[in-house]
Amino acid sequence: DGGITQSPKYLFRKEGQNVTLSCEQNLNHDAMYWYRQDPGQGLRLIYYSQIVNDFQKGDIAEGYSVSREKKESFPLTVTSAQKNPTAFYLCASRLGSGSNTQYFGPGTRLTVL
Amino acid sequence: EDQVTQSPEALRLQEGESSSLNCSYTVSGLRGLFWYRQDPGKGPEFLFTLYSAGEEKEKERLKATLTKKESFLHITAPKPEDSATYLCAVQAYSNDYKLSFGAGTTVTVRA
Repeated sequence: DGGITQSPKYLFRKEGQNVTLSCEQNLNHDAMYWYRQDPGQGLRLIYYSQIVNDFQKGDIAEGYSVSREKKESFPLTVTSAQKNPTAFYLCASRLGSGSNTQYFGPGTRLTVL
Repeated sequence: EDQVTQSPEALRLQEGESSSLNCSYTVSGLRGLFWYRQDPGKGPEFLFTLYSAGEEKEKERLKATLTKKESFLHITAPKPEDSATYLCAVQAYSNDYKLSFGAGTTVTVRA
């Protein structure tokens, strides 16, 4: 099955810890994205990558880091510098130039204890 | 800055009671307007893309329309399985790498 997978589905973190969220896609899409979703707010862009080995900050990148070493993978690290990390994190991908539609993974819910 | 406002925040419908959701937007050069459906605890599911004023798209009981300032998602004769949060997003020519999302409208359809 082609699609986007995110793991884990639920993640609990103690304050001061870094955690990494996984995002993998087998759609052969060039662009990948990370969004954060909080209750009552629209999705907000954290980071995006349009090609391998390149990524750009989105609107709320502080306290997060990413890498794009493979086309299929775009992991997100939530660092201890992120002051309010409890949220629902969504990964998305897009085919590339000529295609506007972003497709989303199932999400990871991160809770800070 | 691109802005998207969705109304109402929540909508409760009786099965079969048709209604419409509104998405008002401000963007400098609309490249596309997107509708997604999101079930609780899941990722958004793509529904439609609209590109120009006057365009309409349909899928089962859903129809999306677009003007120069807003989009409507019409739900005709809804069923309980149409209960979900519906998200609207815009893409601008100036920032075509990103989508700007509204907060969504949560629709509950009672049998």
